[in-house]
Amino acid sequence: AQKITQTQPGMFVQEKEAVTLDCTYDTSDPSYGLFWYKQPSSGEMIFLIYQGSYDQQNATEGRYSLNFQKARKSANLVISASQLGDSAMYFCAMRGGSSASKIIFGSGTRLSIRP
Amino acid sequence: DAGITQSPRHKVTETGTPVTLRCHQTENHRYMYWYRQDPGHGLRLIHYSYGVKDTDKGEVSDGYSVSRSKTEDFLLTLESATSSQTSVYFCAISKGLAGESDTQYFGPGTRLTVL
Repeated sequence: AQKITQTQPGMFVQEKEAVTLDCTYDTSDPSYGLFWYKQPSSGEMIFLIYQGSYDQQNATEGRYSLNFQKARKSANLVISASQLGDSAMYFCAMRGGSSASKIIFGSGTRLSIRP
Repeated sequence: DAGITQSPRHKVTETGTPVTLRCHQTENHRYMYWYRQDPGHGLRLIHYSYGVKDTDKGEVSDGYSVSRSKTEDFLLTLESATSSQTSVYFCAISKGLAGESDTQYFGPGTRLTVL
């Protein structure tokens, strides 16, 4: 069975610092995809970044990067130069290649940026 | 942003009454999904659709039914609402790309309270 674990329920970070949000996963699929979503207090789910299991390089999107360590089954989100607007819930999610229609989500990490 | 709307955005109902939530997309995406979000659980898949009149169950489908008579609309029905179905409901869409890279984009959510 597939599983996503986010072990940090909440984090506080000083503005302009970098922050790493942890995500570990478990799957028996040789091919899978990993996603990060942001949910601000307004409630919408915003797609941030995607990493494929066969991608040779870590994914990057602006200030977001994904630290993908396949052997350790971790897919940590790194936010560089944090901003007050980064305060939100962040969810890690995974899709397995054998169940291409379904994504499973972690329980989330609440990130709070201090001015 | 993906063109996804949900209606209603908020609803309060009583136990035992039927409730229908609507998801409408303007992206012509093949796949549509219904999730519920509860504290400590992240998002959990209720049902999904891979085409008109083609639907399948997710991990928490008991007490819910869905219908998709047009590409753009996906309806979620609670036949007889219970207090345990108080939640925030999200609709999502995806293109239905082969493999694990198919990204899901979410609607704004519907907050449902069952008294």
